[in-house]
Amino acid sequence: TQLLEQSPQFLSIQEGENLTVYCNSSSVFSSLQWYRQEPGEGPVLLVTVVTGGEVKKLKRLTFQFGDARKDSSLHITAAQPGDTGLYLCAGARGTASKLTFGTGTRLQVTL
Amino acid sequence: DADVTQTPRNRITKTGKRIMLECSQTKGHDRMYWYRQDPGLGLRLIYYSFDVKDINKGEISDGYSVSRQAQAKFSLSLESAIPNQTALYFCATSDRGTRGDNEQFFGPGTRLTVL
Repeated sequence: TQLLEQSPQFLSIQEGENLTVYCNSSSVFSSLQWYRQEPGEGPVLLVTVVTGGEVKKLKRLTFQFGDARKDSSLHITAAQPGDTGLYLCAGARGTASKLTFGTGTRLQVTL
Repeated sequence: DADVTQTPRNRITKTGKRIMLECSQTKGHDRMYWYRQDPGLGLRLIYYSFDVKDINKGEISDGYSVSRQAQAKFSLSLESAIPNQTALYFCATSDRGTRGDNEQFFGPGTRLTVL
């Protein structure tokens, strides 16, 4: 059973456009992480959000944790080709140190 | 040098063969994980280990086994490989910490094809 659903699954946009990726669950998580994975490499952590309603910004990327801690979003402003990659959300419960990963959103940004 | 290394990077094998994938880390982390990645399914946890004497099943452990030979080494075995085990396999590590959301550091992956 996949607990974290991401949408859209694929996204192809032009440089300069804005986009939002969603990560949804029916379960509550104590925290939510976002990773980015580039071809031939493992995922790399972008951000961790831990409080319901929390918003974090990382340059042109804005991450939000839902008030009920069941969902999260990633918004990219003025996308650049360097943003191309697979974006994965991952939820943690308590202190178990196990992550449940989302289904992934593959983003392609073209010139 | 990479902090988390995986060998081999690519492997093609035949149905029924025994395969071992190896992971080594120099980060000094206690916790290590094995995941498989399939298109549209994200990463799914196979096994994890919180120290040398600790082995735990993840959500898709059937058909796999692991060995934690030392703090720095965690190997994944497929006793009798089958075609639906064709996937990208990742090893990851994390620090102990007091929260469950410690950052996980991933190796570069092993692409396994079972014919």
